[in-house]
Amino acid sequence: QQQVKQSPQSLIVQKGGISIINCAYENTAFDYFPWYQQFPGKGPALLIAIRPDVSEKKEGRFTISFNKSAKQFSLHIMDSQPGDSATYFCAATFDNTDKLIFGTGTRLQVFP
Amino acid sequence: KAGVTQTPRYLIKTRGQQVTLSCSPISGHRSVSWYQQTPGQGLQFLFEYFSETQRNKGNFPGRFSGRQFSNSRSEMNVSTLELGDSALYLCASSNRGRVTEAFFGQGTRLTVV
Repeated sequence: QQQVKQSPQSLIVQKGGISIINCAYENTAFDYFPWYQQFPGKGPALLIAIRPDVSEKKEGRFTISFNKSAKQFSLHIMDSQPGDSATYFCAATFDNTDKLIFGTGTRLQVFP
Repeated sequence: KAGVTQTPRYLIKTRGQQVTLSCSPISGHRSVSWYQQTPGQGLQFLFEYFSETQRNKGNFPGRFSGRQFSNSRSEMNVSTLELGDSALYLCASSNRGRVTEAFFGQGTRLTVV
């Protein structure tokens, strides 16, 4: 019940295209859903996050869509750029804790 | 402002040995959490410390332990190393023990041979 399932495992997108990564969770007590971006040799960096009382959050080219009833959330990267090539992790957690439950990761490659 | 600093960056140990990894959080941050990252298991939570107290512990054997000092620096120790302990160990710090404000270090790459 603590799992977060993420798909796809890898994604290849043309420059300018839309990248979509999906995650699903089971524990309805989760109340914070962040996305992290990780480049090789670096630690994960917070990209964007959402709480379950909001259905969508947009920051620049990055948008989270959240479907509370389906217990699913997704990351959309609009106008994907080669610099977006990285591994993306969705996560879930409870507020007032640093314990993150991570998805399995998606390796995104954006070709020019 | 300096980020989260983990030392050493790389480490090679032999099976059966023990290892200690260090994490210096961002100045003023009182919470430190540790994660293990492997290709097979992904990112898995190890422990969380806040003001020297362990608040949460992940599902790892007792060979994995940690502590936090009064200056918020944290160490984790793995005893009786196994080949499967080879991983990137990541530390994250936050100011008030809230993941919304957590920043990760670059990690320590541990290889057990």
